Amino acid sequence: GESVGLHLPTLSVQEGDNSIINCAYSNSASDYFIWYKQESGKGPQFIIDIRSNMDKRQGQRVTVLLNKTVKHLSLQIAATQPGDSAVYFCAETPVNTDKLIFGTGTRLQVFP
Amino acid sequence: DGGITQSPKYLFRKEGQNVTLSCEQNLNHDAMYWYRQDPGQGLRLIYYSQIVNDFQKGDIAEGYSVSREKKESFPLTVTSAQKNPTAFYLCASRSGQGAGGYTFGSGTRLTVV
Repeated sequence: GESVGLHLPTLSVQEGDNSIINCAYSNSASDYFIWYKQESGKGPQFIIDIRSNMDKRQGQRVTVLLNKTVKHLSLQIAATQPGDSAVYFCAETPVNTDKLIFGTGTRLQVFP
Repeated sequence: DGGITQSPKYLFRKEGQNVTLSCEQNLNHDAMYWYRQDPGQGLRLIYYSQIVNDFQKGDIAEGYSVSREKKESFPLTVTSAQKNPTAFYLCASRSGQGAGGYTFGSGTRLTVV
């Protein structure tokens, strides 16, 4: 079935370092991908998105890379800060559907 | 959060009881969604509604019911048929312009006692 998964359940980084969170997706027909950040006890917050006709998109301190050949998505956070500590989810929308399919999440821990 | 209000934040239910979770949005969004989140897991779709008076089952609809009588409101009822209802429930809404328009509420944590 359709699935979106993550390689690492927990990522620990030192403050100031760059973080890379990876995600594998299985539905090659998906045409839209989103990264969300979720802090404890709160709803997910939109971070950045990318469409399947792109392979890279940059935001403020964040970059999303899409490799359609291997169905891989990554989120890069530059100069990681303590406030970046949270669970990060990738999500995909298969073409011609109205569904958002979430992965299981990666917990990012930032140490001083 | 972002124009979506979920209430209550915490809810306790006795076994065999139905409970209703509230979700209200003032974003004028057409589509609304209910997700369930279990510890250490991602979000799974329960029900969604793309327009008033219409809704569709998601991936885990059994034991749940919804209504969409108003554009602003999409309440979720967790019935006694749901055998494992303890979870974090998230409501979301979306403008009709692509999946990027999703906005999530702050969630309701339901515990069966």
